[in-house]
Amino acid sequence: DAGVIQSPRHEVTEMGQEVTLRCKPISGHNSLFWYRQTMMRGLELLIYFNNNVPIDDSGMPEDRFSAKMPNASFSTLKIQPSEPRDSAVYFCASSPLTGNTGELFFGEGSRLTVL
Amino acid sequence: AQKITQTQPGMFVQEKEAVTLDCTYDTSDQSYGLFWYKQPSSGEMIFLIYQGSYDEQNATEGRYSLNFQKARKSANLVISASQLGDSAMYFCAILRVQGGSEKLVFGKGTKLTVNP
Repeated sequence: DAGVIQSPRHEVTEMGQEVTLRCKPISGHNSLFWYRQTMMRGLELLIYFNNNVPIDDSGMPEDRFSAKMPNASFSTLKIQPSEPRDSAVYFCASSPLTGNTGELFFGEGSRLTVL
Repeated sequence: AQKITQTQPGMFVQEKEAVTLDCTYDTSDQSYGLFWYKQPSSGEMIFLIYQGSYDEQNATEGRYSLNFQKARKSANLVISASQLGDSAMYFCAILRVQGGSEKLVFGKGTKLTVNP
């Protein structure tokens, strides 16, 4: 079975440009999470969706960040305009709803560098 | 709000020895779950072990065991017979389940180095 698929794996862009990160969760999973990982802050939860509905976006840094989940098999995280401090690895993870251990299945991450 | 504290930024262990990675948590929830994930240098996050707050027995998965002390709010990971491939970052996390949705909060991690 395919795992969580993220694209692009690496993105280098200039400050001010729009960045769109994409995620395809595991089929049948009801929850989807976007995390950001930096050396300074570790792993931070940005936003998560349950059945395509955003449940908690309190971790989204500011209005430059937005996330959508138009259907059960696709989500995007957009940064507009991007800034150097947004450089990080962005992980998408999915999970079946409660009833199991609640394990998250992570994608391989998208490494973003903003120059 | 939940909080996870990993007090050891880095740990060293000799190959074939056992090592304990510390994790303490803070939550007001009655029901929660505790996880450990491994992140090797390649970057992916790998699930290792899970402990539910109502589980009376410590979870074990192969060489991994979770030393769960609920009253002390600690969930330390024990790796027995360390291998060179165990060198990685290790993250403790707490799962909150509420109203049909779930949220996993991670600690800052511990970097484990296994020496030959």
